[in-house]
Amino acid sequence: DGGITQSPKYLFRKEGQNVTLSCEQNLNHDAMYWYRQDPGQGLRLIYYSQIVNDFQKGDIAEGYSVSREKKESFPLTVTSAQKNPTAFYLCGCRTVNTGELFFGEGSRLTVL
Amino acid sequence: AQKITQTQPGMFVQEKEAVTLDCTYDTSDPSYGLFWYKQPSSGEMIFLIYQGSYDQQNATEGRYSLNFQKARKSANLVISASQLGDSAMYFCAMSSLQYNFNKFYFGSGTKLNVKP
Repeated sequence: DGGITQSPKYLFRKEGQNVTLSCEQNLNHDAMYWYRQDPGQGLRLIYYSQIVNDFQKGDIAEGYSVSREKKESFPLTVTSAQKNPTAFYLCGCRTVNTGELFFGEGSRLTVL
Repeated sequence: AQKITQTQPGMFVQEKEAVTLDCTYDTSDPSYGLFWYKQPSSGEMIFLIYQGSYDQQNATEGRYSLNFQKARKSANLVISASQLGDSAMYFCAMSSLQYNFNKFYFGSGTKLNVKP
């Protein structure tokens, strides 16, 4: 089945540790995105990538890093520099010339 | 600056009745797209409906329709014949030509509860 796979679904981390969230898509979409969602709030854009080996910062990129070495993969690293990393993280993708974002099922990160 | 406003944190509707979820937006870009997503308690974001700024008619998808009032900058979602499975968070979102439609801005959401 075509879609977006995020892993892990739940992740616990100690303060000061980096953690990487995986996002893989087999929809052959060009653009990929990472959003953060806090309880009771909407989604905020962390990073997005339109093509391989290129990505742009979103509105809340500080403390995060990404890579886009392959079209189907867009991993997000939450670094120790992120002051409040506990949140729900959603990965999305879309074809460049059409409308909607498709999303994965999300990864919930808890910092202990 | 792009901004999406959803002023209803929570809504209740009786099963089988229609409900309208409000969304207003702010953009100076003449070309933009408006989207509605549903987020059940599982967390996944499900695309519901899309309206382009130049579309002459309101978008419809099954029980979902979008009441697009361009002059008022509103894009309200109408759900007809509500079902228990419609209970979820609903988010309005916008992308615009300014960012080549690559940046999607989301509202804070409305939690819909459908009562039996």
